[in-house]
Amino acid sequence: DVKVTQSSRYLVKRTGEKVFLECVQDMDHENMFWYRQDPGLGLRLIYFSYDVKMKEKGDIPEGYSVSREKKERFSLILESASTNQTSMYLCASSFGGTGGPNTEAFFGQGTRLTVV
Amino acid sequence: DAKTTQPTSMDCAEGRAANLPCNHSTISGNEYVYWYRQIHSQGPQYIIHGLKNNETNEMASLIITEDRKSSTLILPHATLRDTAVYYCIRRGGLLTGGGNKLTFGTGTQLKVEL
Repeated sequence: DVKVTQSSRYLVKRTGEKVFLECVQDMDHENMFWYRQDPGLGLRLIYFSYDVKMKEKGDIPEGYSVSREKKERFSLILESASTNQTSMYLCASSFGGTGGPNTEAFFGQGTRLTVV
Repeated sequence: DAKTTQPTSMDCAEGRAANLPCNHSTISGNEYVYWYRQIHSQGPQYIIHGLKNNETNEMASLIITEDRKSSTLILPHATLRDTAVYYCIRRGGLLTGGGNKLTFGTGTQLKVEL
């Protein structure tokens, strides 16, 4: 059974803290994604990685960075957490490469982060 | 940025067919239409995708107009468990290395009621 696992379901952090959100997939997927979801705004792409050590900015990268040191793990980093980063964060993965058929993405259960 | 347009919300009676429309009038020839849904407090789940022919699987049917400018997701016998936000997404049919982003809109909140 395919799986995308996010390290925490709920997280509470203080303003100014450095926050790490971890995502692990067991499907040997090349692509990994980080989204945030807020009421009325849907899912917005923060960052995307299509290979180890490769990353691409999504629609709202400001205030975030990412790390992809191993194929199965994609970390989202909030360098200095702020209250406007309180949100649901979702990780996803999918097959990548070039030329083959594009396939579905699989999502984790999400991490609800509250910054106080 | 690939865009689709969906109604904000829809209601459906349990046991009836739920027909969810999506407009993608600027879709290009190599883009597929994907549908996902998100049940409250869970991550999005893939439902179905198609290029130009109608598609059916165990979850739903996808009807794409001949000009490909719009499509309809059909849940043939909606149940209370189908209450969710449904997302219609345009996506390239072939993997393109660094270009395989998945961009969501705000989706349609489907409410299935007794």
